[in-house]
Amino acid sequence: GDSVTQMEGPVTLSEEAFLTINCTYTATGYPSLFWYVQYPGEGLQLLLKATKADDKGSNKGFEATYRKETTSFHLEKGSVQVSDSAVYFCALSETGNQFYFGTGTSLTVIP
Amino acid sequence: DTGVSQNPRHKITKRGQNVTFRCDPISEHNRLYWYRQTLGQGPEFLTYFQNEAQLEKSRLLSDRFSAERPKGSFSTLEIQRTEQGDSAMYLCASSLVWAKGLFFGQGTRLTVV
Repeated sequence: GDSVTQMEGPVTLSEEAFLTINCTYTATGYPSLFWYVQYPGEGLQLLLKATKADDKGSNKGFEATYRKETTSFHLEKGSVQVSDSAVYFCALSETGNQFYFGTGTSLTVIP
Repeated sequence: DTGVSQNPRHKITKRGQNVTFRCDPISEHNRLYWYRQTLGQGPEFLTYFQNEAQLEKSRLLSDRFSAERPKGSFSTLEIQRTEQGDSAMYLCASSLVWAKGLFFGQGTRLTVV
């Protein structure tokens, strides 16, 4: 079945450091891929998405590229801020009937 | 756009009691999803509606769980004879074009004592 595997956390970075959160997926077809973010005390929010191979999703300085050959969708940001501290979830869906989420990666950015 | 609204935000119940949660999706969204999230885990799929039709149901959804979306607008999730293992955050999400992603509510936190 479909599934998503995320790198284990927690991740702690200094402000302005480079961020990578790894995400790989298993799917039978051609899924759409998503990153969601959950700030402390808030609900999940869509961060970015990509619907086909080689698409790059981007938002708020974050980027992720849909890599079909490596079945990956790693999240990157060149310079993190304290306000980026949150839990990040990778997700996929093939048909829209179900979305499969990873276990989440907690990021803490220290000044 | 008022967002996805869930009520109540918190519910504490005694083991064995029934509970019902409500979700009001974004008004034009025809797709509605229920998820469950426990601490340190990602959301787990429970069920999916397109308009009023329940099209997908997880095996996680035992016969104690039932969901409805009677007129294709709001939805309710009922848990009968609650158990301590039902303690979790119950999330509702909606969408119009699924490939553009889901919009989540703030969730209902259930504690079974």
